[in-house]
Amino acid sequence: EVQLVESGGGLVQPGGSLRLSCAASGLTVSTNYITWVRQAPGKGLEWVSVIYSGGSPYYADSVKGRFTISRDISKNTLYLQMNSLRPEDTAVYYCARVDYSNWFDPWGHGTLVTVSS
Amino acid sequence: EIVMTQSPATLSVSPGERATLSCRASQSVSSKLAWYQQKPGQAPRLLIYGAFTRATGIPARFSGSGSGTEFTLTISSLQSEDFAVYYCQQYNTWWTFGQGTKVEIK
Repeated sequence: EVQLVESGGGLVQPGGSLRLSCAASGLTVSTNYITWVRQAPGKGLEWVSVIYSGGSPYYADSVKGRFTISRDISKNTLYLQMNSLRPEDTAVYYCARVDYSNWFDPWGHGTLVTVSS
Repeated sequence: EIVMTQSPATLSVSPGERATLSCRASQSVSSKLAWYQQKPGQAPRLLIYGAFTRATGIPARFSGSGSGTEFTLTISSLQSEDFAVYYCQQYNTWWTFGQGTKVEIK
């Protein structure tokens, strides 16, 4: 069974940094596309970033230049390094596997990031 | 960016009744359209991909239709566990989601 477990969320001040982790089991991060999606409180879903199996990263315009997606193959874990955080980055962050035809399944349970002074 | 618009924002339905949710894309996404269900405090769950193919384990009362720019999710006979928020997602050009339709008990 494929399982994704996020961690690393918390409260951070504007301008601060945070690193989220997404530990995978039942799949190998090096041979799968994995993505991050966020959901602000009471709002809809927003795609944030993806890393392809070859290692190429892509970002939504809203986070480009501030967020970095990476992976540790030895730990079978994905990361999202978030710098220069803004209050509007406050959200639950989910990681999900991208099917080879590009829909998202399954999703992790999410981790909450709150950016506030 | 492809904008996805869902309607209505809220749908009030009685258990056992049929629910019809709409999703419109700002430009053609072919059949590259997925539907997700999200319950409070939970992650989204894939229901439909390729506009009409049910994901593994999804009951037959869920059906999807459409192509191009107009899509529909139909729940033929609402069960108590179906009251949730539903999102459409296009994956033709990167990924964008609709704003969601909340299906609530009437």
